[in-house]
Amino acid sequence: GQQLNQSPQSMFIQEGEDVSMNCTSSSIFNTWLWYKQEPGEGPVLLIALYKAGELTSNGRLTAQFGITRKDSFLNISASIPSDVGIYFCAGQEMQGAQKLVFGQGTRLTINP
Amino acid sequence: ETGVTQSPTHLIKTRGQQVTLRCSSQSGHNTVSWYQQALGQGPQFIFQYYREEENGRGNFPPRFSGLQFPNYSSELNVNALELDDSALYLCASSRMGGNTEAFFGQGTRLTVV
Repeated sequence: GQQLNQSPQSMFIQEGEDVSMNCTSSSIFNTWLWYKQEPGEGPVLLIALYKAGELTSNGRLTAQFGITRKDSFLNISASIPSDVGIYFCAGQEMQGAQKLVFGQGTRLTINP
Repeated sequence: ETGVTQSPTHLIKTRGQQVTLRCSSQSGHNTVSWYQQALGQGPQFIFQYYREEENGRGNFPPRFSGLQFPNYSSELNVNALELDDSALYLCASSRMGGNTEAFFGQGTRLTVV
């Protein structure tokens, strides 16, 4: 199925470090969403972006909607142990079912 | 907590059997989408229900079917289960139109043996 290109696939960092991950697509999306998923749980919405160029923060998380509408990035500052999990980007189509197209995920591991 | 609830949380079925998964949407939401998430992958769109009708479908065979009820809850039915159907099935609740975010339930882990 269709997927976005998300990188990196995994990250191993020290507590306190900043984290950056990004997603690119060959298609244009009108909405970009970032989710976090922990083992045995469904994805939890972190940030939603609606306009090209938009920069939005949620606590230590900052995400941007690329100008071309084909990419987005997520930054996490001063990582803490509870940031561990898998982060997914998702582009939302505005036609038809407005389905979400997901990246493959970035697995974040933090060494205390 | 999103307010989207799915049942059951875990299920084991035998190849060839049929399964029904259930989802209650978040209050104020009128649209339910179903996704399949294989191990180590991102969720893949199965289909969406809006106004009790299918409103878009991903690349899944007809043995995947669904329903939406007047209270906006939904069911996902899978017939003739195959081993590759083993996955986490996620339900997402949203409002149709405009800037609308999708909120996911905790998922149903289906294992086909």
